[in-house]
Amino acid sequence: GAVVSQHPSRVICKSGTSVKIECRSLDFQATTMFWYRQFPKKSLMLMATSNEGSKATYEQGVEKDKFLINHASLTLSTLTVTSAHPEDSSFYICSARPLLGTQYFGPGTRLLVL
Amino acid sequence: GNSVTQMEGPVTLSEEAFLTINCTYTATGYPSLFWYVQYPGEGLQLLLKATKADDKGSNKGFEATYRKETTSFHLEKGSVQVSDSAVYFCALSAQRNSGNTPLVFGKGTRLSVIA
Repeated sequence: GAVVSQHPSRVICKSGTSVKIECRSLDFQATTMFWYRQFPKKSLMLMATSNEGSKATYEQGVEKDKFLINHASLTLSTLTVTSAHPEDSSFYICSARPLLGTQYFGPGTRLLVL
Repeated sequence: GNSVTQMEGPVTLSEEAFLTINCTYTATGYPSLFWYVQYPGEGLQLLLKATKADDKGSNKGFEATYRKETTSFHLEKGSVQVSDSAVYFCALSAQRNSGNTPLVFGKGTRLSVIA
């Protein structure tokens, strides 16, 4: 089946630094990519939707200046958490969807901000 | 708005027991319904889906039927195995004006199967 990778799988950073997470579709072209955040014992919350070559659409309550999303190619999207704080610690999951088809999820990135 | 409610876990069963995980939804229009599974240390994988009323999705012995009259999509398996231990997410996909179809997830139900 289709494969989506995320890098890094786990990152620990100091408060105030920025962290970039990559999401790649390895064997298909992803016209749309989604970024989710998963809190402990809670569901996945959609943060934003990005279509290749256009600006991301953020969900209500998600700070676009805090969570920068770039979808520069059909196989790569990046999420940058700027000036990270401990409350940004979470599990971030991306998914990728070809033009016609279902979503495929990456394995997730666990971020810990100290 | 669109939402998904699924039974809270954890659910602990003995091997070969019957499994039911309840899922109900609220949505405008006619959403597609999904069950995803997340094995320890891995990403979400699509388990099965149904795109219209009365459709039955099935995979790996799991089944779920899209019931519009009860707005439900309960997951069932007749005989669970230890390897089925995972977190199961019910989700719906609702069309937006933008053309995008993000998924709305339930909170997940952790299943533990013991030998």
